[in-house]
Amino acid sequence: DGGITQSPKYLFRKEGQNVTLSCEQNLNHDAMYWYRQDPGQGLRLIYYSQIVNDFQKGDIAEGYSVSREKKESFPLTVTSAQKNPTAFYLCASSIGRSVLHFGNGTRLTVT
Amino acid sequence: LAKTTQPISMDSYEGQEVNITCSHNNIATNDYITWYQQFPSQGPRFIIQGYKTKVTNEVASLFIPADRKSSTLSLPRVSLSDTAVYYCLVGDGTGRRALTFGSGTRLQVQP
Repeated sequence: DGGITQSPKYLFRKEGQNVTLSCEQNLNHDAMYWYRQDPGQGLRLIYYSQIVNDFQKGDIAEGYSVSREKKESFPLTVTSAQKNPTAFYLCASSIGRSVLHFGNGTRLTVT
Repeated sequence: LAKTTQPISMDSYEGQEVNITCSHNNIATNDYITWYQQFPSQGPRFIIQGYKTKVTNEVASLFIPADRKSSTLSLPRVSLSDTAVYYCLVGDGTGRRALTFGSGTRLQVQP
């Protein structure tokens, strides 16, 4: 079955710690995206990548970092510099025409 | 970058037709218009996509005027299970440009 896998589903961290969210896809898509969603709010773009070893900042990149060493993988690191990291994080991939395939998300709680 | 504007919320009753309009005044030539449905704690799910004129599938219709500066998602005979947030997304999805969601429309269907 082709799709996007985000892990873990729930993640708990202490304030001041960096944490990496996993996103893997086997759809052979070139483009990948990370979004953040706060309760009752829309999706905000963190980072996106067109191809391996290339990525661009989205609207709210501060406090986050990404890598794209493999086509299948686009991990997101939430650093201690992110002021309000508690949120629902969604990863997506696309082969074009703005059709995004989303993972099931990771809910991060930082206390 | 095509910014989208939608009504924040809409109410309907079971069995009625619901039309949700999205404004995207600065849509680019290569951009497609895609609509998504999102339930709480899940990633958005693809509903329908179009470039111009009208598109229909088994769950919805999409109307796009000739100038492509807006689009209307039509849901025929909604049911309680259609209660969700609906987003329109405009872009080419290649990863060369950001794909930014608007605030979405929260549809509440009542019995």
